[in-house]
Amino acid sequence: DTAVSQTPKYLVTQMGNDKSIKCEQNLGHDTMYWYKQDSKKFLKIMFSYNNKELIINETVPNRFSPKSPDKAHLNLHINSLELGDSAVYFCASSQGNSLNQPQHFGDGTRLSIL
Amino acid sequence: KQEVTQIPAALSVPEGENLVLNCSFTDSAIYNLQWFRQDPGKGLTSLLLIQSSQREQTSGRLNASLDKSSGRSTLYIAASQPGDSATYLCAVVGTSGTYKYIFGTGTRLKVLA
Repeated sequence: DTAVSQTPKYLVTQMGNDKSIKCEQNLGHDTMYWYKQDSKKFLKIMFSYNNKELIINETVPNRFSPKSPDKAHLNLHINSLELGDSAVYFCASSQGNSLNQPQHFGDGTRLSIL
Repeated sequence: KQEVTQIPAALSVPEGENLVLNCSFTDSAIYNLQWFRQDPGKGLTSLLLIQSSQREQTSGRLNASLDKSSGRSTLYIAASQPGDSATYLCAVVGTSGTYKYIFGTGTRLKVLA
């Protein structure tokens, strides 16, 4: 009965590889987000999708490409991984894009680049 | 540019104490402010959301206040318990620029049994 689930939980890979992180929510929400939490625990939004449409795209390198096949899924694909990409990536969802509803977070994907 | 700061960065208290966590933001033009809790290795859990027109919100032993004009919010935890140990984050949504949450750096709370 997990609300927001991300896979994998841990991802260790070498520099230069391409990897994907999957996110699914079963809350019936129509807005989903990707956040990056760095080693200093600072959390910053990367992308936001509402009804499969991109509504927020922060200054993230274009090596990062989100894909939303439907409202319940928002996957994150990363090309040519770099050392600085090491972080914990959180997926979240909420009802509506007004940000007046609480956001529900997944448990995070810890990405380590060797 | 909105900046959110939380003080203290870390706090240890004995069980049963009442405590206050502080959050300050530089731009008072906000839609709302939200307090989250993050447990180690876990995502964030929303605790309280205060709209810009509200002064406070309460949930159980938690009370969050908002003073928009001074750019401050406090999270009051009554009768703290070891299970309250976690990192507490506040986040604000501004009315200018991109409509998104700006997070503070968090306060790491440890409640000692």
